[in-house]
Amino acid sequence: GNSVTQMEGPVTLSEEAFLTINCTYTATGYPSLFWYVQYPGEGLQLLLKATKADDKGSNKGFEATYRKETTSFHLEKGSVQVSDSAVYFCALSLPGANSKLTFGKGITLSVRP
Amino acid sequence: EAGVAQSPRYKIIEKRQSVAFWCNPISGHATLYWYQQILGQGPKLLIQFQNNGVVDDSQLPKDRFSAERLKGVDSTLKIQPAKLEDSAVYLCASSFLGGLGQETQYFGPGTRLLVL
Repeated sequence: GNSVTQMEGPVTLSEEAFLTINCTYTATGYPSLFWYVQYPGEGLQLLLKATKADDKGSNKGFEATYRKETTSFHLEKGSVQVSDSAVYFCALSLPGANSKLTFGKGITLSVRP
Repeated sequence: EAGVAQSPRYKIIEKRQSVAFWCNPISGHATLYWYQQILGQGPKLLIQFQNNGVVDDSQLPKDRFSAERLKGVDSTLKIQPAKLEDSAVYLCASSFLGGLGQETQYFGPGTRLLVL
């Protein structure tokens, strides 16, 4: 079946540190890949997405590249801020009538000043 | 543009009681999803509607959970009777069309349910 695996957390970084959050997937077919973020007290919101191999999604300084050969979609940011503290979810969906999102477990990022 | 609305935000009930959650998607969005998010896990789809028809309810525990979207707009998810393991956050999401696999889903704030 389809699944998403995220690295174990939580992750604690100092402000301006480099961030990498690993995500790998298993899917039948050609999925679209997403990163969703959940800030404290708020709902899930889309951070970025990529819909085909080698696409790079980017938003708010975050980037992730769809790597079909390694079935990965790692999230990176060059310099994190305290305001990036949140829970980050990697997810996939497949084309078709059933366009549900399959999520990873999520990882909590805490950025200290 | 108003986002996805959900109510209530919090609910505490005892096991074997019933509870209902309400969701109003973004105006014009044809597809509505209900997800269950258990603490420490990612959200898991319970049911997906396209307009007022069910697309996928394979993960919905139908002996106790039910959902409807009568007029193709807002939706209600019900649990009757509740079990301890139903304690979770129930998320509603909507997308404009669905079916393409690459559309953004917009999430509501969720309803946090605690079953005692």
